[in-house]
Amino acid sequence: DAKTTQPPSMDCAEGRAANLPCNHSTISGNEYVYWYRQIHSQGPQYIIHGLKNNETNEMASLIITEDRKSSTLILPHATLRDTAVYYCIVRVKAAGNKLTFGGGTRVLVKP
Amino acid sequence: DGGITQSPKYLFRKEGQNVTLSCEQNLNHDAMYWYRQDPGQGLRLIYYSQIVNDFQKGDIAEGYSVSREKKESFPLTVTSAQKNPTAFYLCASSRTERGDTQYFGPGTRLTVL
Repeated sequence: DAKTTQPPSMDCAEGRAANLPCNHSTISGNEYVYWYRQIHSQGPQYIIHGLKNNETNEMASLIITEDRKSSTLILPHATLRDTAVYYCIVRVKAAGNKLTFGGGTRVLVKP
Repeated sequence: DGGITQSPKYLFRKEGQNVTLSCEQNLNHDAMYWYRQDPGQGLRLIYYSQIVNDFQKGDIAEGYSVSREKKESFPLTVTSAQKNPTAFYLCASSRTERGDTQYFGPGTRLTVL
C-alpha cells in the first residue's frame, strides 16, 4: 500500500470547517483513499473513502485531486467531539487486506 | 443495534497466564481482524479470518492464537509466549467480497502485571 504524509497536528475553531490534508504521491490506480479517526482510548472510526471522485457523507467530505496525489478531508462544522487523531490510508480493496495506520494528524478543536 | 462488541474493556492478568479477548459482531460480515496498538503507534495486524473455520497470520502472530467457529465470533488468545502482551487490542470486521471497509470495535486494553 502507498505511503501517506499528514501534518502531525492542527488546531481548529469550534463551528468552523476543518481541512485536513494528506499527501499520497505514490498512490496506484487501484488504491482507494480512506479516512479514519481515533478518539483517545477508543477504536478507530471509519469516516469516508474514495477512489477518484469527491465524496460526501453525513460526517465529512473528501476532495481528491485530479492526479490523485493528494486529498483533503473536510469536517464542515467542527465540534469539540471531533477532537481526535485522523488517519489517511491508501489501500487496495482486496479481501483480507490490512489497514496500515501512519502517524495521523492530531486535531484539537477549540471553543 | 448493529455493531462490534469487545469485552472486557480493561483486562489485567499476571505474567505467564493465557488470556482470551472476546470479539462479537452482528453485522453479518464474513471477514474479521485482530490488531494491536501500542502507545503512540499505529495498528499492527495479528490475525485475520475471511470465513468460518479459516484464518491467516498477520504481521505479528507469534504468541497469539485465534479461532473462528462461528461467523459472529473471533476470539483472540494472548498466550504466555507473547513477550510484550500489554497493549490495546482492536477487533474489526468487513464484508469480504469487495475487500470492503473495516469497522472497529471499542477495543480491549490488556495489562499484564
